[in-house]
Amino acid sequence: GAGVSQSPRYKVAKRGQDVALRCDPISGHVSLFWYQQALGQGPEFLTYFQNEAQLDKSGLPSDRFFAERPEGSVSTLKIQRTQQEDSAVYLCASSYRGQGGTEAFFGQGTRLTVV
Amino acid sequence: AQSVAQPEDQVNVAEGNPLTVKCTYSVSGNPYLFWYVQYPNRGLQFLLKYITGDNLVKGSYGFEAEFNKSQTSFHLKKPSALVSDSALYFCAVRAEGFNDMRFGAGTRLTVKP
Repeated sequence: GAGVSQSPRYKVAKRGQDVALRCDPISGHVSLFWYQQALGQGPEFLTYFQNEAQLDKSGLPSDRFFAERPEGSVSTLKIQRTQQEDSAVYLCASSYRGQGGTEAFFGQGTRLTVV
Repeated sequence: AQSVAQPEDQVNVAEGNPLTVKCTYSVSGNPYLFWYVQYPNRGLQFLLKYITGDNLVKGSYGFEAEFNKSQTSFHLKKPSALVSDSALYFCAVRAEGFNDMRFGAGTRLTVKP
């Protein structure tokens, strides 16, 4: 596609509810990243995929967070038993390769509010 | 370890004046440096990057940035600011051999007519 697409744009979840956030990367991009951006902060790295392989999940804040990219294209970030501190904008980014000087292209993000 | 600092939360300039948004970084090894801009309700948009070579890199919308290895800085500049440049600017670094980009906390640029 023309850019990285994320859905839904906004999600309100009751505390304890499970949520799934979707990311459609730019076609042909090998690398996919998830970031969490709290209000007034810069994006914080969550996890990285190269094709379908999750090579780095060091930024996932707890075992309630789970990400997958089963066919090396679309990715889903799942948060189980949501807590209020999970409220943030979740950004997905893709690039044709992950390391070095390759820039990443970001989607508009999903704003998650846990009430 | 890799980290980025943007020492100014807010930068205000008058339209037509030059602007500078500051960024310093800390990495082990060679850095790859990036600037992104974020408009309200929009995703981050790539502006420019430094990989190697010339210390002055030029990017989108007339922006440029100067890499200074001795000062570990990568300041964003523009010779003549526009009101439409008002946005949130993020500096990011990726260390050689690493996957993730580390972002600064952001600097809000306001250009007044």
